[in-house]
Formats: sequence, structure tokens, C-alpha cells
Amino acid sequence: GAVVSQHPSWVICKSGTSVKIECRSLDFQATTMFWYRQFPKQSLMLMATSNEGSKATYEQGVEKDKFLINHASLTLSTLTVTSAHPEDSSFYICSARDFPSDYEQYFGPGTRLTVT
Amino acid sequence: KNEVEQSPQNLTAQEGEFITINCSYSVGISALHWLQQHPGGGIVSLFMLSSGKKKHGRLIATINIQEKHSSLHITASHPRDSAVYICAVYYYNTDKLIFGTGTRLQVFP
Repeated sequence: GAVVSQHPSWVICKSGTSVKIECRSLDFQATTMFWYRQFPKQSLMLMATSNEGSKATYEQGVEKDKFLINHASLTLSTLTVTSAHPEDSSFYICSARDFPSDYEQYFGPGTRLTVT
Repeated sequence: KNEVEQSPQNLTAQEGEFITINCSYSVGISALHWLQQHPGGGIVSLFMLSSGKKKHGRLIATINIQEKHSSLHITASHPRDSAVYICAVYYYNTDKLIFGTGTRLQVFP
């Protein structure tokens, strides 16, 4: 089956620094990737949708200058948390879809970010 | 109000019991997903369905389009089934999943 990987699986960084999280589709080409954020014991919150080669579409309330998303190839999307603050600490999950009309989504294993 | 409702929110069971988790949604959908998340873990897609019934091992998912309702059944439950189960839907003319709040299942030996 389709596999999506994320790297790193966990990261600790200091306030004010930037952190990049990678999401890769390993055995298929992902025309669309989604970035989610999950707080403890809560459901997933969609942050943004990215289509290969175009700018990401951010959900209302998500700061696009703080959460930079790049989807430069059909197998890689990155999320960069800039000038991280402790309140950015969370579990970040990406998912990928291979065709715009295919409703199957494949989820990555998640990245746990802790900002100290 | 969440557009995707799951019940129950929490569920405990003894090993071997038959388990049912329910999901209701409000308007027409293109597809429905059942997802599983173990504590501290990532999301695993169990089923995607738009009609009828699917079965994989001890897991069965059904959907009733007219009733706007889906169920996830686990037969012969096992402690390793302990996880959060999430229902998520694609409403017509949308490009993103709408998630239910999840059902936390604990199966005791």
C-alpha cells in the first residue's frame, strides 16, 4: 500500500528558532498534501492544503508567515515552523493524495514538536 | 457544532467482545474514512467507503447513505485494538476531510 513518511519523528527546539518537517510519499506521486495539527486528546485540525507547484491554501486562523509550506515536487512537502514559541508545541501530521479526484488519503506517522 | 458526530466518545470492553462505533454526518458525502490512532502514534487508514460494506480481518465498516450513518465493528476484540477510532468525511464539493471527535476504545484482557 501507499506509504507516507515524515522526518523527523520528534524534535525539540528552543524558542525563536525555526524547524522544518518533511513529508514524503514513498511509492506514489502526491499531487495534494495536507498538513494537520493535533493537540493532546483532540482531533486533527487542518492547517493547510498544498498542491505540487503552487502556493498552499491555509485554513482560517493559521498564520501563513509562521507556518511555511512548500510542495516543490510530487513526493515531498515541507512545513517550516518559523520563530517557534512554546505554544507551537504539538503533534504535526501530514497526509497525501495521489489524484485530485481520489478520496483516499494516506497519513504520515506524525512529528512531535516541543519548543522550550 | 461538529458536523461529524461519533458515539460513544469512550468505550471499554473485555477481550473477545463485539464492538460497534457509530458515526453520523449531516449532508451528502463523497466518501467516508475510518481511521485508527494508537496512543502517541500516527494515523492509520482502516477503510474508505462510499456505499455498502467493507471487511478486513476482524474489522467491518458499513455505511447507509440514506440514513447518513456509518458503523465500525470489531469482532473478537483484543487489547491491541485499544486506540482512538476516528470517522472522517468528504462532503460534496469539498476538498478536505471533516473529522469526528473520535472514540477512545480500551479493551481489557
